[in-house]
Amino acid sequence: DAGVIQSPRHEVTEMGQEVTLRCKPISGHNSLFWYRQTMMRGLELLIYFNNNVPIDDSGMPEDRFSAKMPNASFSTLKIQPSEPRDSAVYFCASSRGASSYNEQFFGPGTRLTVL
Amino acid sequence: AQRVTQPEKLLSVFKGAPVELKCNYSYSGSPELFWYVQYSRQRLQLLLRHISRESIKGFTADLNKGETSFHLKKPFAQEEDSAMYYCALSGRALNFGKGTSLLVTP
Repeated sequence: DAGVIQSPRHEVTEMGQEVTLRCKPISGHNSLFWYRQTMMRGLELLIYFNNNVPIDDSGMPEDRFSAKMPNASFSTLKIQPSEPRDSAVYFCASSRGASSYNEQFFGPGTRLTVL
Repeated sequence: AQRVTQPEKLLSVFKGAPVELKCNYSYSGSPELFWYVQYSRQRLQLLLRHISRESIKGFTADLNKGETSFHLKKPFAQEEDSAMYYCALSGRALNFGKGTSLLVTP
C-alpha cells in the first residue's frame, strides 16, 4: 500500500502563477484533509472533505485558494495567483469515517516555493 | 473556541534523560486528544491517543482535565526519538498545536 500519494513533491514557481497540488487518498478512506505547514504557524487545516463533499473550508486563507474532490480517489488544491507568502509544505491526509477522532494518514507533502 | 498550545518550539535532552513535551488545550466539551510524530524524512503519523491509554515506543500521555493538559512523557529518551511532535485535539476537525521539535543528543 503506497499510502496517501501527493504530487508534485516539490514545486517552484513565480509569483502570479497558478499552482495545482494533487492528492490521492488511501482507497476506502472517505475523509480527506488539506493542511499547510509553516515555521510560524505550524500545521493548519485548510479544508476537509467527507464523501467528496467539502465540510469545512474555514481554514482556506483567501479566495486565491480553492480545492476540489471530483471523486473518491482524487483531490486538488489550487492557488491562483500564487504569492511568496504561500510558500509552505502542503500535506494531504485521509481517514476512514467522518469523525476527526479517526486516525489520519498523511502524504509526504508538497514543498511549494513561490519566488 | 478549541485550541491546542505547545509552549516549547524546541526541546533538547541528553540520551537516557527523561523527557516531557507539554500540551495544553482549551475545549468546552469532552476532549479527545492525540500525539502525532514526524521523524526526519518520514510522514507525519499517529503516535498515540489518550483514549487508548497505551504506551507507544515508551511514550505515555495522561489527560489531566483539571489542568487541561495532555503532556507526552518518556522516562529515558533515545536518539531515535528525535522528531517533531504535534499535539492534536479532535473537534469538528483535528486541531494541531504548532509542534515541538525534540532533539536527543548522545
